Amino acid sequence: ETGVTQTPRHLVMGMTNKKSLKCEQHLGHNAMYWYKQSAKKPLELMFVYNFKEQTENNSVPSRFSPECPNSSHLFLHLHTLQPEDSALYLCASSQDPSGGEETQYFGPGTRLLVL
Amino acid sequence: GENVEQHPSTLSVQEGDSAVIKCTYSDSASNYFPWYKQELGKGPQLIIDIRSNVGEKKDQRIAVTLNKTAKHFSLHITETQPEDSAVYFCAASITGSSASKIIFGSGTRLSIRP
Repeated sequence: ETGVTQTPRHLVMGMTNKKSLKCEQHLGHNAMYWYKQSAKKPLELMFVYNFKEQTENNSVPSRFSPECPNSSHLFLHLHTLQPEDSALYLCASSQDPSGGEETQYFGPGTRLLVL
Repeated sequence: GENVEQHPSTLSVQEGDSAVIKCTYSDSASNYFPWYKQELGKGPQLIIDIRSNVGEKKDQRIAVTLNKTAKHFSLHITETQPEDSAVYFCAASITGSSASKIIFGSGTRLSIRP
């Protein structure tokens, strides 16, 4: 276990549904990240939060809406998704990027299927 | 921005032999290079990392080398075992920024033949 948990582990949703992915880190880290992992493509960084403030939005469509209520929790709200959004969504956290503590710890991911 | 190329995309080696995965990066300012291993049904796990002030780092059967001039770095696994079968990702980033933006390679699927 890495200290980063994600729920649910699997999710099937229709294009008109609204769902949320949850990530929690038990490592006392200050930064949290959402990544998208599709087959045969590199990990794509979606959002970065540092001390609860969003510092990166990597041109992600507005149908993905992140929320970071505190440094331990990160959500990804999903609505009106497309089939091409089917992928493994990974959450990660790191200690203090500005201080050089770059190592990111990943959760197990949520496998999302959009029908 | 940074671009990381990783080769090969798939690699099959006999158990006990060595495996080598190579990566190149484009941004000369990158100074931190982690390697992650992803097993089936799990998220990527850090296995080793190297910073730009060193040329080589070793941890038991795993070693990483870095050539800053050529902007490439490699992962070496010796005496491979079945549990080494996984997807391996290289990555590059610039430390000290307000948030860690790690750019990943496309991954290498390593299979160890018994």
